[in-house]
Amino acid sequence: AQSVSQHNHHVILSEAASLELGCNYSYGGTVNLFWYVQYPGQHLQLLLKYFSGDPLVKGIKGFEAEFIKSKFSFNLRKPSVQWSDTAEYFCAVNVPATGTASKLTFGTGTRLQVTL
Amino acid sequence: ETGVTQSPTHLIKTRGQQVTLRCSSQSGHNTVSWYQQALGQGPQFIFQYYREEENGRGNFPPRFSGLQFPNYSSELNVNALELDDSALYLCASSSGLAGVELAQYFGPGTRLLVL
Repeated sequence: AQSVSQHNHHVILSEAASLELGCNYSYGGTVNLFWYVQYPGQHLQLLLKYFSGDPLVKGIKGFEAEFIKSKFSFNLRKPSVQWSDTAEYFCAVNVPATGTASKLTFGTGTRLQVTL
Repeated sequence: ETGVTQSPTHLIKTRGQQVTLRCSSQSGHNTVSWYQQALGQGPQFIFQYYREEENGRGNFPPRFSGLQFPNYSSELNVNALELDDSALYLCASSSGLAGVELAQYFGPGTRLLVL
């Protein structure tokens, strides 16, 4: 079965520190890759996505992620975090499901806490 | 353009009861997927609807069922509720089959508590 691993469960950073959240997936075929963010009290929002082409993708709010196919990884980065980046971050992979649908398989999430 | 909306926001039921959750997809989207998010976990795929037909299903028992209507809104029904069904239920919509290069956009969820 396909799976997504997020190795950092809880990350605490000071404002202006650099961020890198790890994401690895296990699936041998073509995948679409996503990062979603869930701010406190808000719903899941799409941060960025990779479908094909340039493996370095840029998302909203200064986030970027790099797809490394040989490592089955899609790590999320931000050069300088802000207090407002405090949230839970989910990596997700779009893989074929039963029938003709595709489903998102999510990691367990990384809780990022940014301190002033 | 309106986003994905869900109702109700919160719900309390007792074991054995039945529940119906509702979702309105984002304008222009014809595919709806439902996910269950237990506390401290990532969302788990329940099933997907495309053009009013169930189009794929995750590892959930048949007491989880759904509908999609001609306006692409959707319902999730859960029969014979169990305590473990307590979770946040998320609806996501996309424009077409999610197997193609399309992103899913999520609603705020319905938090269900089963006592």
